[in-house]
Amino acid sequence: GAVVSQHPSWVICKSGTSVKIECRSLDFQATTMFWYRQFPKQSLMLMATSNEGSKATYEQGVEKDKFLINHASLTLSTLTVTSAHPEDSSFYICSARGTRHNEQFFGPGTRLTVL
Amino acid sequence: QKEVEQDPGPLSVPEGAIVSLNCTYSNSAFQYFMWYRQYSRKGPELLMYTYSSGNKEDGRFTAQVDKSSKYISLFIRDSQPSDSATYLCAMSLSYNTDKLIFGTGTRLQVFP
Repeated sequence: GAVVSQHPSWVICKSGTSVKIECRSLDFQATTMFWYRQFPKQSLMLMATSNEGSKATYEQGVEKDKFLINHASLTLSTLTVTSAHPEDSSFYICSARGTRHNEQFFGPGTRLTVL
Repeated sequence: QKEVEQDPGPLSVPEGAIVSLNCTYSNSAFQYFMWYRQYSRKGPELLMYTYSSGNKEDGRFTAQVDKSSKYISLFIRDSQPSDSATYLCAMSLSYNTDKLIFGTGTRLQVFP
């Protein structure tokens, strides 16, 4: 159990466009979802935490107007990278946690390349 | 200084070897320590977690925490080719694991 999916698995876009990434908990209700970013040879860095129905809490240094997070249901959270630039190219990975777990279950990640 | 340091490897060992993976950290307030395994193109999956100092064993895996040295280890006995993956350590200040601080991960290759 505790499966988290992400879509798309990879995306290439032009600079200035917006990209939406979906994160779904397939077999449990995710009261909290997390979005991470990982640059090559660096650690997974938490970008933001979202609770269903509430505004996301962003980590220091993460622009909330650039990385829009929506957690409208207990099984879906979306991350929209607005006006993407090449420096936003990274591996974006979500995780989800339900009321029955303290563990975060991770999705497979989305590779974003901005040209 | 990074909060969590982890040697990225790669670490290459023969099948059956004992593997030792390690992380050091700087924040003495960390209480919960976790090891994740990540296969290529998959998300990290939790292998083990420990609270404070001590050892925890689960099958071929043993997690060890030495808070006095700010050093944690994961040992894999009788390593198998299927253990080939990236292993990430992570830690948090409390049992409520909202804020996980990850190491960069160590890539392990077990060859037959």
